Amino acid sequence: QKEVEQDPGPLSVPEGAIVSLNCTYSNSAFQYFMWYRQYSRKGPELLMYTYSSGNKEDGRFTAQVDKSSKYISLFIRDSQPSDSATYLCAMRSNSGGSNYKLTFGKGTLLTVNP
Amino acid sequence: DTAVSQTPKYLVTQMGNDKSIKCEQNLGHDTMYWYKQDSKKFLKIMFSYNNKELIINETVPNRFSPKSPDKAHLNLHINSLELGDSAVYFCASSQEPIDTQYFGPGTRLTVL
Repeated sequence: QKEVEQDPGPLSVPEGAIVSLNCTYSNSAFQYFMWYRQYSRKGPELLMYTYSSGNKEDGRFTAQVDKSSKYISLFIRDSQPSDSATYLCAMRSNSGGSNYKLTFGKGTLLTVNP
Repeated sequence: DTAVSQTPKYLVTQMGNDKSIKCEQNLGHDTMYWYKQDSKKFLKIMFSYNNKELIINETVPNRFSPKSPDKAHLNLHINSLELGDSAVYFCASSQEPIDTQYFGPGTRLTVL
């Protein structure tokens, strides 16, 4: 079983839809959870960052972490064509050395159609 | 005002050649990384340096050798290139290993 599983999609939605993106993980040591957005032929950029369980909201984006289920989600409200990108979840533990490394999901390709 | 820059952006070369990719960050960060993203978009860390010291070295063939001349630069040298090395290589940096990572634009390497 891979450490982080993410459905690669592709996911295609109409403008204005609510989008739900998800990742599951197997390593219970993961404490920090991130969502990166990657536009075509660009580097990933950090979108949301959460620690441990709970919700975090930033504008149209909401990140949720359920550590008991080892499941994280990113919700996008009122999706826009400019949200079309690949969304990668990433996570790491809080111990030292090589455990600082980020483990990424494979990314979900999202297209928002006008 | 590019935060993390990489050169070249594209690299096309023959099998067996040796090539280098350069990375520079102007964020004043202490930690830099190299990632490989394969054709299926899977992003995997290769190396990480903190204050010019190697702290992460994943299972990468020893044909890949990172070099950090100073905290602002982390270069990647690849010897005897193979077809399977074709990928996009991303450099990233963060203030500390636990902090947010900022990625460069990537170098698309094609080995023929």
